[in-house]
Amino acid sequence: SQKIEQNSEALNIQEGKTATLTCNYTNYSPAYLQWYRQDPGRGPVFLLLIRENEKEKRKERLKVTFDTTLKQSLFHITASQPADSATYLCALAESSASKIIFGSGTRLSIRP
Amino acid sequence: SAVISQKPSRDICQRGTSLTIQCQVDSQVTMMFWYRQQPGQSLTLIATANQGSEATYESGFVIDKFPISRPNLTFSTLTVSNMSPEDSSIYLCSATGTEYGYTFGSGTRLTVV
Repeated sequence: SQKIEQNSEALNIQEGKTATLTCNYTNYSPAYLQWYRQDPGRGPVFLLLIRENEKEKRKERLKVTFDTTLKQSLFHITASQPADSATYLCALAESSASKIIFGSGTRLSIRP
Repeated sequence: SAVISQKPSRDICQRGTSLTIQCQVDSQVTMMFWYRQQPGQSLTLIATANQGSEATYESGFVIDKFPISRPNLTFSTLTVSNMSPEDSSIYLCSATGTEYGYTFGSGTRLTVV
């Protein structure tokens, strides 16, 4: 069956360090993968999208990699700040016109 | 990217009643979706709201329980029918984007008593 797993239900790291979150999937052939941030009591907010033919994408302190052979995406936040504390969700879509399916999410806490 | 207004933001309902949640998008969008999020869990897709035709439901969700309307390219409603305490959850609508990802409403926190 199809499955999207995000390793580590919760991740606690020191401010200034790089946070690395993992998203693994099985039985999918995604055209692209997205990462979202969700704060308590709010809807997810889109962060980055990476296509199947892209290996890496960056946006300010964020970096996403996408390995379709390993069926894995890594999401990095460099120079992390307490304001980066939130739940981060990966999501897959099998085409540009299809629904997106979410992973289980990783709760990230950055301590001062 | 599109902005979605979702209402109500929260409600407490009696079991056996129905609640209709509305989502208004500030621009025309191709696709709209409805999700459910149980406390502390990720989002589960309920259905794709299709403009001018019946919604496409995911496994485990049926039209009689979650009727959806999409009368135009900027508006959709989800009704939670004949509610029970198990329906207590956060319900979110979303709309497609392209490079800007999918936009989400702020959610409706539903409590069934």
